[in-house]
Amino acid sequence: DTAVSQTPKYLVTQMGNDKSIKCEQNLGHDTMYWYKQDSKKFLKIMFSYNNKELIINETVPNRFSPKSPDKAHLNLHINSLELGDSAVYFCASSQDQFGTQSSYNEQFFGPGTRLTVL
Amino acid sequence: TQLLEQSPQFLSIQEGENLTVYCNSSSVFSSLQWYRQEPGEGPVLLVTVVTGGEVKKLKRLTFQFGDARKDSSLHITAAQPGDTGLYLCAPTAGSNYKLTFGKGTLLTVNP
Repeated sequence: DTAVSQTPKYLVTQMGNDKSIKCEQNLGHDTMYWYKQDSKKFLKIMFSYNNKELIINETVPNRFSPKSPDKAHLNLHINSLELGDSAVYFCASSQDQFGTQSSYNEQFFGPGTRLTVL
Repeated sequence: TQLLEQSPQFLSIQEGENLTVYCNSSSVFSSLQWYRQEPGEGPVLLVTVVTGGEVKKLKRLTFQFGDARKDSSLHITAAQPGDTGLYLCAPTAGSNYKLTFGKGTLLTVNP
């Protein structure tokens, strides 16, 4: 069974379109994340949700809107896609949220979604 | 703002060689994690170090946390092609234990 799954694996779309990426985790974790990895492999956090509540928003443009219908799902919707949005987007989950020392916040990553905006 | 550097950025070696990669900062870390990301996959946790001076071993991989908790190293003995990947350090600092990833070392081990 896949612990953290993302769909789609690849997404190719035109500039200006709206698209969504879905993420699900079956680990029973309370916290989920979205990361963006650019062409230089730099992995940067975008959002973090704990029990469906937003706890981290790292100055991401308003065109990006995460939605967590329940604590096992964290979807990412992107409006008006731009060329610079092309990247690999990773979903991740962890048992506890930031600030919980006991778990040291090990994160389990999904396989990534490669978004290409033309 | 924490300045985090990983070096080298790229490393290409032959099977059987030894190597060391580094993760350095001017800030003190609460803890530090090392992840490996294989091509086409998400990062996977290798180890977490917490105590200054701590050394942890994972088969042929040896991880060391600096005494002052500002730096860490990963040493691989007798590298194998299966070690190929992007090695990312992710320290936490401050009271919120937020993870910040370094830019990584891209290791290629040639057969």
